[in-house]
Amino acid sequence: NAGVIQTPRHKVTGKGQEATLWCEPISGHSAVFWYRQTIVQGLEFLTYFRNQAPIDDSGMPKERFSAQMPNQSHSTLKIQSTQPQDSAVYLCASSLGGSAETLYFGSGTRLTVL
Amino acid sequence: QQQVRQSSQSLTVWEGETAILNCSYENSAFDYFPWYQQFPGEGPALLIAIRSVSDKKEDGRFTIFFNKREKNLSLHIKDSQPGDSATYFCAASASSGSWQLIFGSGTQLTVMP
Repeated sequence: NAGVIQTPRHKVTGKGQEATLWCEPISGHSAVFWYRQTIVQGLEFLTYFRNQAPIDDSGMPKERFSAQMPNQSHSTLKIQSTQPQDSAVYLCASSLGGSAETLYFGSGTRLTVL
Repeated sequence: QQQVRQSSQSLTVWEGETAILNCSYENSAFDYFPWYQQFPGEGPALLIAIRSVSDKKEDGRFTIFFNKREKNLSLHIKDSQPGDSATYFCAASASSGSWQLIFGSGTQLTVMP
C-alpha cells in the first residue's frame, strides 16, 4: 500500500497560469478530501468527495478553484489564473468509511506562484 | 474566530521529559478530537484520538487528557525522544458534519538530545 499519492510534489507557475494538482487515494477508500496548508492560515478544508460524488465544497474559493473526481482512483484540483496568494501546500487525504475520523494524507503538492 | 486553538506555536523539551501540548475549542458540538503529527515534507498522520465521552486516552507514550466542561484537552508525550520532534495539530469534528475536521494552528515540538 503506497498510501495517498500526490503529484507533482512541487509546482511553480507564473501569475495568471493554470495549475492542476493530482491525487490518487488509497485503493478502497470511499472519501477524498482536499486541504490547503499555509503558515498563516494553517490547515484549511477545501472540498470533500464521497464515492466520487462532490459532497461539500464550502472551503473552495468560488471563482478560480475547481475539483473533480472522475473515477475512484484519482481526483484533481484545478486552479485557474493562479495568484501569488494561492501559494501553499495542497494536501489530499482519503478515508475508508467516508468520515474524517481517520484521514490518510499524501505528502502534498507545494505550489509556488511567482 | 478560531474554533480550535493551540496556545503554543512552539515547545522545546529535553529528551526524557514529558511534553505537554494544549488545545481548546469553542463549539460544544465537537465530539471527536484527533491529534495529527506532521514531519517536514510529509502530510499529517493520525497519532491518537479521543471522543468526548472519555476523559483520557492512552497509547504507548502518548496520552490525551480531555476536559469537556472546560472545553480543553492536552496531549502528553512521555519520555520524549528527538524523533518526536514534529508539528502536532489538534483537530475537532462534530458527528453532525463528520467530514469537516477543524484543525488548530499546530505546535512545533523540538526535543533536545
